[in-house]
Amino acid sequence: ETGVTQTPRHLVMGMTNKKSLKCEQHLGHNAMYWYKQSAKKPLELMFVYNFKEQTENNSVPSRFSPECPNSSHLFLHLHTLQPEDSALYLCASSLPQGSGANVLTFGAGSRLTVL
Amino acid sequence: AQSVAQPEDQVNVAEGNPLTVKCTYSVSGNPYLFWYVQYPNRGLQFLLKYITGDNLVKGSYGFEAEFNKSQTSFHLKKPSALVSDSALYFCAVRHSSSNTGKLIFGQGTTLQVKP
Repeated sequence: ETGVTQTPRHLVMGMTNKKSLKCEQHLGHNAMYWYKQSAKKPLELMFVYNFKEQTENNSVPSRFSPECPNSSHLFLHLHTLQPEDSALYLCASSLPQGSGANVLTFGAGSRLTVL
Repeated sequence: AQSVAQPEDQVNVAEGNPLTVKCTYSVSGNPYLFWYVQYPNRGLQFLLKYITGDNLVKGSYGFEAEFNKSQTSFHLKKPSALVSDSALYFCAVRHSSSNTGKLIFGQGTTLQVKP
């Protein structure tokens, strides 16, 4: 257990469904991240929040909607997804942005399958 | 633009033999360099990082990495591989003056250690 918990671990949804991924950290970190991991591709940074404020949106389609109500929780709301969105979605947290030496702590990921 | 290349999709090594997982990077200015490992059905775990100072960095589980500025490389090494080292390894780079925390990952290298 890394201190970053992601739920659900597995999710299967249709293209018209609406679902959410949840991430929670108990490390006292103030920065949280969503990454997309697809086979044989580099991890893709999707969103970054620093002290609940979004500081990075890496040209992510609007069918992905992040929410960060506080520094300990991060959500990824999903709607009208496409089959190519099937991937492992990783949440991470770190000390506040501003130090390039910060190490990210990752959750185990949510495996998403879009039918 | 920052980028990371891991030229080998897979590295095979016999248990007890030394291992090397290669990484080269491209970043203007001084880099911060990281190695992460991902075991099956788990998130990424931090192994080691180079910030400044000694070019040889020692990390978790007996791994080390050597920063070579002239060759823009940061290869991961271990003197004697274990079967339990079999996993997916990611190299990552961040510009040292970055205050956004954007970490750029390579595509990953699968390490297979055979008994």
